[in-house]
Amino acid sequence: DGGITQSPKYLFRKEGQNVTLSCEQNLNHDAMYWYRQDPGQGLRLIYYSQIVNDFQKGDIAEGYSVSREKKESFPLTVTSAQKNPTAFYLCASSDSLAKNIQYFGAGTRLSVL
Amino acid sequence: EDQVTQSPEALRLQEGESSSLNCSYTVSGLRGLFWYRQDPGKGPEFLFTLYSAGEEKEKERLKATLTKKESFLHITAPKPEDSATYLCAVQAGGNNRLAFGKGNQVVVIP
Repeated sequence: DGGITQSPKYLFRKEGQNVTLSCEQNLNHDAMYWYRQDPGQGLRLIYYSQIVNDFQKGDIAEGYSVSREKKESFPLTVTSAQKNPTAFYLCASSDSLAKNIQYFGAGTRLSVL
Repeated sequence: EDQVTQSPEALRLQEGESSSLNCSYTVSGLRGLFWYRQDPGKGPEFLFTLYSAGEEKEKERLKATLTKKESFLHITAPKPEDSATYLCAVQAGGNNRLAFGKGNQVVVIP
């Protein structure tokens, strides 16, 4: 089945620890995105990548880092510099040549221990 | 800065009671307006995209419309399974970014 796979579903971070959230897609989409969702809030863009080996900061990039070494993969690292990481993280991908509709994964819920 | 405002924030409907959700936007150069459905603890599911004023799209009990300033998502004779948060997003300018509203939380009571 084609789709976007995020793992793990739940993640716990200790103080001062970096954690990495995985996002893999087999839709052959060129663009990928990371969003953060807090209760009662809309989705806020963290980082996005339109092609391999290139990515841009979104609206709330501080305390996060990404890489895009393969078309299928766009991992997000939540660093210790992110002081309030507890949130629901969503990965999406889109085909910029085909209406650019973004399709989402099932999300990763990150909590702080 | 692109602005997307959804109203009402929350809505409780009796089963069969039709209603509409509003998404108003202020953007320069709208390229598309998107509606998604999100169930608790899950990722958003794509419903519709609208590109120009006057355009309409339908899917089962849902119908989306677009004007130059706002979009409506009409829910006709809703069922309990239509309970969800409905998200509106706009794409504008020269990049592929979406700006999301905070969502309309809909509860349909049997």
